[in-house]
Parts: sequence; structure tokens; C-alpha cells
Amino acid sequence: NAGVTQTPKFRVLKTGQSMTLLCAQDMNHEYMYWYRQDPGMGLRLIHYSVGEGTTAKGEVPDGYNVSRLKKQNFLLGLESAAPSQTSVYFCASSRNRTYLNTEAFFGQGTRLTVV
Amino acid sequence: GESVGLHLPTLSVQEGDNSIINCAYSNSASDYFIWYKQESGKGPQFIIDIRSNMDKRQGQRVTVLLNKTVKHLSLQIAATQPGDSAVYFCAESLTTDSWGKFQFGAGTQVVVTP
Repeated sequence: NAGVTQTPKFRVLKTGQSMTLLCAQDMNHEYMYWYRQDPGMGLRLIHYSVGEGTTAKGEVPDGYNVSRLKKQNFLLGLESAAPSQTSVYFCASSRNRTYLNTEAFFGQGTRLTVV
Repeated sequence: GESVGLHLPTLSVQEGDNSIINCAYSNSASDYFIWYKQESGKGPQFIIDIRSNMDKRQGQRVTVLLNKTVKHLSLQIAATQPGDSAVYFCAESLTTDSWGKFQFGAGTQVVVTP
């Protein structure tokens, strides 16, 4: 049981380049999230999805796009990377609200550096 | 507790002692709370959760206390071990939301000394 898997684990981009981060979960979870984590700060929500084919903006969506074409995958795209997007990115998934425990399960993170 | 700066608050604990980590949450309507542990280089891991209809919940070596009056959560770790060294942060959620948004605190660094 892999849980939540993120690829890649590390990446260095030049300013202006684009890339896609992939998140895959095998728990049949409805909800998926992308967070960024910066030093000394809590996790900040970038985008989220409440089901296949749906996406919505979180707290810090600017500069990012997402897609949820399949229930198990949630993709985060950076169209034109900027140094301010240097961060550690975490994907998470959780069951829907009909379950008692709705904790989010996290991937191992992607460390992205934009130079 | 919470931090808005670049440096996380740090709690130094001697091995074998009990740890108490505090968290102030922001939304008085939040009804579900979680504590996560994040070891260096890893993703956050679920420790324990509590719903707003409870004020205390116990797990294995951990206890979470909820004080809704002052919007305060605490995590108590009994007999702290070296493997407990990590960043701990709380998350709050409103389960009546149509989606599962979690609001995370900045975290507290716990350092266990021998």
C-alpha cells in the first residue's frame, strides 16, 4: 500500500521554465490537495480537488494550475517558474466527510528550487 | 505554539520527560482538529485527532486536550523518546464545509536530548 506518492522528489528549474508535479494516491480518496511549505511557516494550500474532474483555488493559487483527470492523480503545474516558488511541495489526500476520521495523508514532498 | 516568523519555536525535552506542545487555532467554528508530526525531510504524519464535542482524547503515549473557550489545543507526549524529535503542528478543519480544508499552524520544533 503506497499511500500518497509524489514525483519528482527534487527538481531545480530556471526562472521561466515550466514543470508538472505528479501526485498519485491508491486509497480511493475523494479529496486531494497541494500545499507548499516554506521555512518557519505552516503548510499553505495552493489548490484542492473534491473529486475527479473538479479543482478549486486555495490560499496561494497564483502561478500554479492543477488538473484532476483521474480520481487517483492530482497534477500541479508551474507554467513559468519564479524564484518565489522555491519551496517544498506536499500533496495530500483525504476521505470525504461521510467518514468519521478525515485526516489528510501526505506524500513525501517535492523540493523545488527555482534559480 | 504558533509562529509567524522564520524561526519555529523550539521545545527542548530530556529523554524520558513528558512534552507539552501548544497550539492556538483561529476559527471558533472549527470542529475537527489534528496533530501532525513531521520528521526532517519527510511529509507530515497523522498522530491523533479530536472532535469539538470532546475535550480530551488519548492515544498511545499521546494525549490531546482541547479548550474551545480559548481556542487552544495541546499535545502531550509521555516519556519522550529520541524518535519523537520532529516538528509538530496542529491543523483545524470545519467538517460542515463542503470540502475538507485544513488550516495548519506553523509548528513547534521538538528536540529530545539524552
